[in-house]
Amino acid sequence: QQQVKQSPQSLIVQKGGISIINCAYENTAFDYFPWYQQFPGKGPALLIAIRPDVSEKKEGRFTISFNKSAKQFSLHIMDSQPGDSATYFCAASARSGSARQLTFGSGTQLTVLP
Amino acid sequence: NAGVTQTPKFRVLKTGQSMTLLCAQDMNHEYMYWYRQDPGMGLRLIHYSVGEGTTAKGEVPDGYNVSRLKKQNFLLGLESAAPSQTSVYFCASSFHTDTQYFGPGTRLTVL
Repeated sequence: QQQVKQSPQSLIVQKGGISIINCAYENTAFDYFPWYQQFPGKGPALLIAIRPDVSEKKEGRFTISFNKSAKQFSLHIMDSQPGDSATYFCAASARSGSARQLTFGSGTQLTVLP
Repeated sequence: NAGVTQTPKFRVLKTGQSMTLLCAQDMNHEYMYWYRQDPGMGLRLIHYSVGEGTTAKGEVPDGYNVSRLKKQNFLLGLESAAPSQTSVYFCASSFHTDTQYFGPGTRLTVL
């Protein structure tokens, strides 16, 4: 059972365009929503994260929009650059005892054309 | 400061063989995790540890065992490898429970 659904599976954007990746979740206990960026041959690295008490968080060209009632969140990459070409994973987690397990989406492969 | 390192980077096994993957972190993190990454499925948690000497099962623990004898190391073992365990394995660590820092991965092929 996939608790975090991510779309699209792949995305091609022209340089300077806006990249948008969407995720939806089911578990209302989730209270932390990070996005990870992964380059080929590397491990994922945290890009930006949000908690459900805010509807938007911006860091540079990257913005997370969060809709608690719809149980959806999205990553917007403004002025997309070829260096942004990577696989992006959304994730969600809830505290379980002393631990916090991340549940990942299936990933979006972003290609930014020069 | 090397962060999270994984050994080996690549490995090919025959069905039924055993092996151990080593994860080491130098950030004094309490929490450590093992994930597997398969095409189209994101990362799935195999086992995790909330401190030295503790381990717990994640989403897909069957066929794997782990040990955390030292705070800085987290070992993932495959006792009898199967082709279904062909995957890329990532170790991660975190100070408490939020940001997880990932290693570079181990690509395992089971023939």
